[in-house]
Amino acid sequence: AQSVTQLGSHVSVSEGALVLLRCNYSSSVPPYLFWYVQYPNQGLQLLLKYTSAATLVKGINGFEAEFKKSETSFHLTKPSAHMSDAAEYFCAVRSDTGRRALTFGSGTRLQVQP
Amino acid sequence: DAEITQSPRHKITETGRQVTLACHQTWNHNNMFWYRQDLGHGLRLIHYSYGVQDTNKGEVSDGYSVSRSNTEDLPLTLESAASSQTSVYFCASSDNQGSGYTFGSGTRLTVV
Repeated sequence: AQSVTQLGSHVSVSEGALVLLRCNYSSSVPPYLFWYVQYPNQGLQLLLKYTSAATLVKGINGFEAEFKKSETSFHLTKPSAHMSDAAEYFCAVRSDTGRRALTFGSGTRLQVQP
Repeated sequence: DAEITQSPRHKITETGRQVTLACHQTWNHNNMFWYRQDLGHGLRLIHYSYGVQDTNKGEVSDGYSVSRSNTEDLPLTLESAASSQTSVYFCASSDNQGSGYTFGSGTRLTVV
């Protein structure tokens, strides 16, 4: 079975500081991994995805994530936070076991302090 | 442009009533999914479909049903709405490669 754990339901950073949102997954087969962002009262927007190509994945808005198989992690980072980054972030996994649905983590709410 | 649309955007209903939420996609995707989003739980899978006449239960399927009569639509029905089903519901679709998922804008359902 596949599962996702996001460490920290709330993360607060100062504007200009490093953003690090943690995601660990479990999967019996090599996974596809995704990060989504959700702004208040909106739907989900894809930030980036890992589909077994390069382990360092670059996404939109300056975000990137690194797939580390040995650590079963896919942490999301951004070198310098902007006020506009304040949102809820979700990590999701899809294992290639025949089931094509994504399994989501519980989410991390990012606050950016001026 | 291809899109996935959900309707209504907001719905208030009474306990015990049957409610149907619509999801329509023009991506020509075979795979469609329904999730519910609740605080502290992220998105949880309700039902999913891999094609016409195919439906499968997800982790939180009790009290919900779906039917797939064509490629474009996967309506979600709450047979007898309960207050515990107050939530935001998202529909999604994907290609068969499993690398491209598109989400609708969501339906906020309140059961009173």
